[in-house]
This record gives sequence, C-alpha cells and structure tokens, in this order.
Amino acid sequence: EAGVVQSPRYKIIEKKQPVAFWCNPISGHNTLYWYLQNLGQGPELLIRYENEEAVDDSQLPKDRFSAERLKGVDSTLKIQPAELGDSAVYLCASSVTGYGYTFGSGTRLTVV
Amino acid sequence: QKEVEQNSGPLSVPEGAIASLNCTYSDRGSQSFFWYRQYSGKSPELIMSIYSNGDKEDGRFTAQLNKASQYVSLLIRDSQPSDSATYLCAVKPGNTGKLIFGQGTTLQVKP
Repeated sequence: EAGVVQSPRYKIIEKKQPVAFWCNPISGHNTLYWYLQNLGQGPELLIRYENEEAVDDSQLPKDRFSAERLKGVDSTLKIQPAELGDSAVYLCASSVTGYGYTFGSGTRLTVV
Repeated sequence: QKEVEQNSGPLSVPEGAIASLNCTYSDRGSQSFFWYRQYSGKSPELIMSIYSNGDKEDGRFTAQLNKASQYVSLLIRDSQPSDSATYLCAVKPGNTGKLIFGQGTTLQVKP
C-alpha cells in the first residue's frame, strides 16, 4: 500500500511569492489533514477534510492560506503571499475516521 | 494551559534501560490517545494507540492510560540507540476528528 505522498519535499522561495503544496492520501482514507510543524514543536492542525468538505479550518490563516480537496482525493495547500514566519514543515496526513493518522514525508518550506 | 503537555527533555537513558515518557491532557472527554515517533528530519510515525484505561503492550512498547488523572505514558523496555528520537503524544478530544499534539519529548539512548 502506497503511503501519503507529498510534493515537493523542499521549497525555497522569496517572501511575498506564492507557493503550493500537493498531497495524495492513502487510497480509501476519507479524512485528510494539513498540519504545520515548527522546529521543536508538535504539529498544529491547519485544516481537516472529511471527503471533499473542509470541516475544521479554524486555524487556517485565511488571509493568505487556502486549501482545496478536489473529488475528495488529492489536496493542495497554497500560501499567497508567503511571509518569513511561514518557514516550517507542512505535513499532510490521512486516516479512516476514528483511527490514527498516517503522515506524508512533509514539505520543508524556507522563505527568504 | 496547553491542551497536551509533555516535558521536552531531553530524556537520556543508557542502552538496555526502561525509558518512561509522560503526557497530560486537559480535555476530560478525550477518547483516543496516540504515541508517534519522529526521527530528526522525518515525519511522525504512529507507534501506539490506546483507547481504554490500563496498559497496552506491543513488543518493547507499553502505553498506559489513566483517564481519571488525564495521564498517558509510554514505556520503552530494553532501550536501543535506534530508539533515539522525539516522541509525540497526541490526543483526540471528544466529539472532534482532529488530533492535538504535545510538543514532544526528545529521547537519547546512550550506548
């Protein structure tokens, strides 16, 4: 079984530029999550999808962040414009509702 | 008060010893509890889940849950240098589908 696939693995951009991250969850996992992890901290939820519906986006900074999950499968997280403080690891995870998550390898974003 | 609290460590134990990692949580309605291991530069990996009071054993790992005290722990027996990593406690609060993570405890197992 293929795991959660994320791309790119690394991204370096200048501040004020846009950036997008892509995630393909495990087949059959109806729930998809985007987390942000700063160095030395635990992951923090940005947005949670149940199928196509964003059911929890209370922690998503909507002025610059957006996300979508087309057809309830792949998902894209976008930042526009990026700020220096957005430098972090962006993790995608998926699960069957009620069970533990499986994380992707993450995207390490550096904003310079 | 943070929703999930862990001592950031580092916790240092000699090879072969028992490592004890602790976690407290604030939501009494929480029903599901997880331990993740995260190696440096890697993503978290699920190693244990526990849902009811008591102990749950899987190989060298034992998860312990005490809902009355709002306390979860992870014991690693016969610790190996390869166990050196950050261990994240995660809690699923009642009536939500999301996991809340602690900041993690760094474990160092010295040969």
